[in-house]
Amino acid sequence: QVQLVESGGGVVQPGRSLRLSCAGSGYIFSSYAMHWVRQAPGKGLEWVAVISYDGGNKYYADSVKGRFTISRDNSKDTLYLQMNSLRPEDTAVYYCAKDRGWLLLENWGQGTLVTVPS
Amino acid sequence: SSELTQDPAVSVALGQTVKIACQGDSLRSYYPSWYQQKPGQAPILVINGKTNRPSGIPDRFSGSSSGNTGSLTITAVQADDEADYYCSTRDTSGNHWVFGGGTRLTVL
Repeated sequence: QVQLVESGGGVVQPGRSLRLSCAGSGYIFSSYAMHWVRQAPGKGLEWVAVISYDGGNKYYADSVKGRFTISRDNSKDTLYLQMNSLRPEDTAVYYCAKDRGWLLLENWGQGTLVTVPS
Repeated sequence: SSELTQDPAVSVALGQTVKIACQGDSLRSYYPSWYQQKPGQAPILVINGKTNRPSGIPDRFSGSSSGNTGSLTITAVQADDEADYYCSTRDTSGNHWVFGGGTRLTVL
C-alpha cells in the first residue's frame, strides 16, 4: 500500500533554513505529482506547493513563494521542501501528499512538525 | 477568486443525515475533493471528484456539486464520523490548490 513518511522537522530560529523530506513507497513514485500541505497549530489546512511527476513544473502558494523550493529525486523516491528565511508564521505540521489527476490529494503522510519561535 | 468557504461547525444526531457545504468560484470549473481529519491524525481522502469514494470509505459518504457549491453528505451518521472535514480543489488558475476553512462535525 502507499506509504509516505516525512522527516526533517524541528525547531529552527527565524531567518534560518530547514529541509523536509518525504519518502514514498508502495507505488511508482516517479509517475505522480506530489504536494506539500501545512497545518498551523489549531488551524486549517493550507496548500504549500506542488511538483509534477518529472519535476518539470512547480507551483507555490503566495505565502511561501520565493522562500520555499519543492524538488524531488525520483531515483530515491523522495520529495523535498527546502524552506529558507523561516518566519514564526511558518510554524506548522507539514504533510506531503500524493496527487491524482492533478486535482486531488489521494494519500497523505503523517506529517512533520516545524517550529519557528517568535 | 481562490477561496473556498465552509461553515465552521455542524452538529448532527447519531443515525441522522448531515450535509456539509463548500462554496467558491473554483467549483464552477472543478469538482471538490473532501478530506476527513480526526484529532492528531493526518487527513484522509473520503470523496474524490464528483461523488467517487476511495476504497475503504463507507457508502454512507457521498458528494455532489452544482454551480459554485459542493456538498458532502453523510447518512446514518456514526460516532466515529466525528471529525473535521475539508473541501479542496484547484483554484481558477489551475495550478494552485485551495482548501476550505474546515467544518467540525459533532455527533450528538
